Amino acid sequence: GEDVEQSLFLSVREGDSSVINCTYTDSSSTYLYWYKQEPGAGLQLLTYIFSNMDMKQDQRLTVLLNKKDKHLSLRIADTQTGDSAIYFCAEGSGYSTLTFGKGTMLLVSP
Amino acid sequence: NAGVTQTPKFRVLKTGQSMTLLCAQDMNHEYMYWYRQDPGMGLRLIHYSVGEGTTAKGEVPDGYNVSRLKKQNFLLGLESAAPSQTSVYFCASSRQGGPDTQYFGPGTRLTVL
Repeated sequence: GEDVEQSLFLSVREGDSSVINCTYTDSSSTYLYWYKQEPGAGLQLLTYIFSNMDMKQDQRLTVLLNKKDKHLSLRIADTQTGDSAIYFCAEGSGYSTLTFGKGTMLLVSP
Repeated sequence: NAGVTQTPKFRVLKTGQSMTLLCAQDMNHEYMYWYRQDPGMGLRLIHYSVGEGTTAKGEVPDGYNVSRLKKQNFLLGLESAAPSQTSVYFCASSRQGGPDTQYFGPGTRLTVL
């Protein structure tokens, strides 16, 4: 079945760039997503990318997709303490459902 | 718009008790989902619905039932709760499938003793 893998933890200093990586196995994935979860809250969609794209930029966020290697990354420029959260990678290939990774906890220190 | 709301926010059950979690959305979305989130496991899909009156099984459906009698509501039932069902439950909805954004509720923290 589909599988989505992420590193579990990333620690950066405020002002640095953060890069969160994700790999997936389903070659038929059509859309790939990044969600953010703050403590005690539900998930919030940050951005998504179609599988026929290599890159997508949205303000401080840059998503890179290497479809050949099935590798997705999220770069957050000028990381702030408010960016501390759990970030989930997800892939969608089916009609309506997503497969989520286990999440990467990003800790930003002042 | 309230978005996606979940009731209750917290609940403690004893093994064998039953309960229903309510999810409501006011965005006129067709699709609704129930997930559970466990430490180190990420989100796993329990059941979902692609429209009023429809339901489908997700990755971990055993021990749960769902109903979608009204478009705006998606109910998750536990007939006989077990400690393994201790988790945080999230409801989500989307206008359609594919790339459409799933909007998440704030979650229900359930503990089964």
